[in-house]
Amino acid sequence: ETGVTQSPTHLIKTRGQQVTLRCSSQSGHNTVSWYQQALGQGPQFIFQYYREEENGRGNFPPRFSGLQFPNYSSELNVNALELDDSALYLCASSLGTSASYNEQFFGPGTRLTVL
Amino acid sequence: QQQVKQSPQSLIVQKGGISIINCAYENTAFDYFPWYQQFPGKGPALLIAIRPDVSEKKEGRFTISFNKSAKQFSLHIMDSQPGDSATYFCAASGSNAGNMLTFGGGTRLMVKP
Repeated sequence: ETGVTQSPTHLIKTRGQQVTLRCSSQSGHNTVSWYQQALGQGPQFIFQYYREEENGRGNFPPRFSGLQFPNYSSELNVNALELDDSALYLCASSLGTSASYNEQFFGPGTRLTVL
Repeated sequence: QQQVKQSPQSLIVQKGGISIINCAYENTAFDYFPWYQQFPGKGPALLIAIRPDVSEKKEGRFTISFNKSAKQFSLHIMDSQPGDSATYFCAASGSNAGNMLTFGGGTRLMVKP
């Protein structure tokens, strides 16, 4: 059984650019959630995908968008990057969404720096 | 609006001591309260979790105490070890929002040898 993997590990972009981050969910999991963790803060929920459809969204603007593929891997896209988008982006996979206690397994994250 | 408040922000404990981290929540729809441990360069890892139908849960050296009426819960780390030095996050989620986690701000724990 493989864990959650994310790529790339680190990324440097300039303001106004676009970025795509990738996540492979843990084997057997059909739900992927994305979180943004600013330095020194707790993760903040961006959105969740369940069976290729968005299943919930946090307080993030539309320039944050995502996809989930048939193999349940996922992408996070951020357009028109701003300096405040610099953060660790975490992907978490789980099985199902109906129960709040479905454990989420986190990947190591992608560190995005916007200059 | 921060729905889960965590304290203290940082904590220094001697080896063998007890580490206590507290969290308070506002949303009464929350029904699952996990604690995560995060080491530098790693993603958060589930440590222990509790549901509001019990007031305490213990797993090894880690105990969660839960007070539903006060809307507070805490993590106790007994016999703290240098290897426990990490950042700890409390979180909460509710079935009415799938399993979206709302995290506290984190506590950086340092256990001195």
